[in-house]
Amino acid sequence: AQSVAQPEDQVNVAEGNPLTVKCTYSVSGNPYLFWYVQYPNRGLQFLLKYITGDNLVKGSYGFEAEFNKSQTSFHLKKPSALVSDSALYFCAVREGGYSTLTFGKGTMLLVSP
Amino acid sequence: EAEVAQSPRYKITEKSQAVAFWCDPISGHATLYWYRQILGQGPELLVQFQDESVVDDSQLPKDRFSAERLKGVDSTLKIQPAELGDSAMYLCASSLVVDSHGGYTFGSGTRLTVV
Repeated sequence: AQSVAQPEDQVNVAEGNPLTVKCTYSVSGNPYLFWYVQYPNRGLQFLLKYITGDNLVKGSYGFEAEFNKSQTSFHLKKPSALVSDSALYFCAVREGGYSTLTFGKGTMLLVSP
Repeated sequence: EAEVAQSPRYKITEKSQAVAFWCDPISGHATLYWYRQILGQGPELLVQFQDESVVDDSQLPKDRFSAERLKGVDSTLKIQPAELGDSAMYLCASSLVVDSHGGYTFGSGTRLTVV
């Protein structure tokens, strides 16, 4: 069975500082990895994905994520945080192309001015 | 930009009443998903459709929940009778094909409160 762990319930960072939101995964085969963001009372918005190729993937709003196969991790990063980045972030995994997305429990990112 | 439409946005219902949610996926998307997101948790899959057929409903509480996608386009999720523990955000998502390399496109969700 596939699973995702987001070890931090909340990440606090000051505006302008770099941010990292952690994610580790477990699948039997090749992982397809995703990050989504959710604003209050809204659906999930796609940020970025890793399917194959370069381990560093770039996505929307200046976010990027690094796939590390040996550590089974897919941490979300941004060089300089904005207050408007404050939201709930979800990591998700699917095994290959045919399984459905399994989500982590989410990490609340709070960026202070 | 194409969107997944969901209605209503908010629903308050009394325990033991029936409630229904509607979803219209992006045009041409064959695969449709219903997820439930309990406050403080990640979304959990309830049911997956490929066109009008159910592909996976293993996590759907079938004694009270039902889902249909009769013409392979829009879908309805029903709860009867509603229980207090059903209070959650119900998210609909769609993708072009089941083995798409992309993620899913989500609607804005329906926030259900059972009182």
